[in-house]
Amino acid sequence: KAGVTQTPRYLIKTRGQQVTLSCSPISGHRSVSWYQQTPGQGLQFLFEYFSETQRNKGNFPGRFSGRQFSNSRSEMNVSTLELGDSALYLCASRGQVMNTEAFFGQGTRLTVV
Amino acid sequence: SQELEQSPQSLIVQEGKNLTINCTSSKTLYGLYWYKQKYGEGLIFLMMLQKGGEEKSHEKITAKLDEKKQQSSLHITASQPSHAGIYLCGADSGGSNYKLTFGKGTLLTVNP
Repeated sequence: KAGVTQTPRYLIKTRGQQVTLSCSPISGHRSVSWYQQTPGQGLQFLFEYFSETQRNKGNFPGRFSGRQFSNSRSEMNVSTLELGDSALYLCASRGQVMNTEAFFGQGTRLTVV
Repeated sequence: SQELEQSPQSLIVQEGKNLTINCTSSKTLYGLYWYKQKYGEGLIFLMMLQKGGEEKSHEKITAKLDEKKQQSSLHITASQPSHAGIYLCGADSGGSNYKLTFGKGTLLTVNP
């Protein structure tokens, strides 16, 4: 079956702009998580959605938001972009059962100039 | 909050050599996951360990979770250039928390 799909793969934005990233999970998976990866901080958890509800949120400012649709596809939005938001944003999907592996997409490389 | 420490941070080995990467948790591990990442790409799932003492193997890669469930090791036998990449361990926080916490990763270089 198809894997996790993230679009777009690459994005260049200017400071102050906003951006929306998209993630389509594996068919049947209802849990979608987002992570930010930077060389200095590594992989950091942003938020997790399950059946359109945000269940967990990481320690990021309110400029970072997300949502999940009824078909489990998820979007994350970053408003008022800062240079420090440049990173690889990864989406992961998991099945309904606890303690199961998460499958990651290829990521969206966001560069803020 | 849970923290995962990986060692070493980087590793350079000659093709054919064995190597081990360690992952130590600040709290009891409820689920430990190993992933591999090529630079700038997504994470590829390798193995999941849940029970103390559990050991799993896939091709030339073996992962173990110690009895006390606070440390895991990833061992590669007869390394090949295809093993090169960043290895990350991740862990569930327990309970109904679906959040995964990751170590900083180990960069593996395999020289032919």
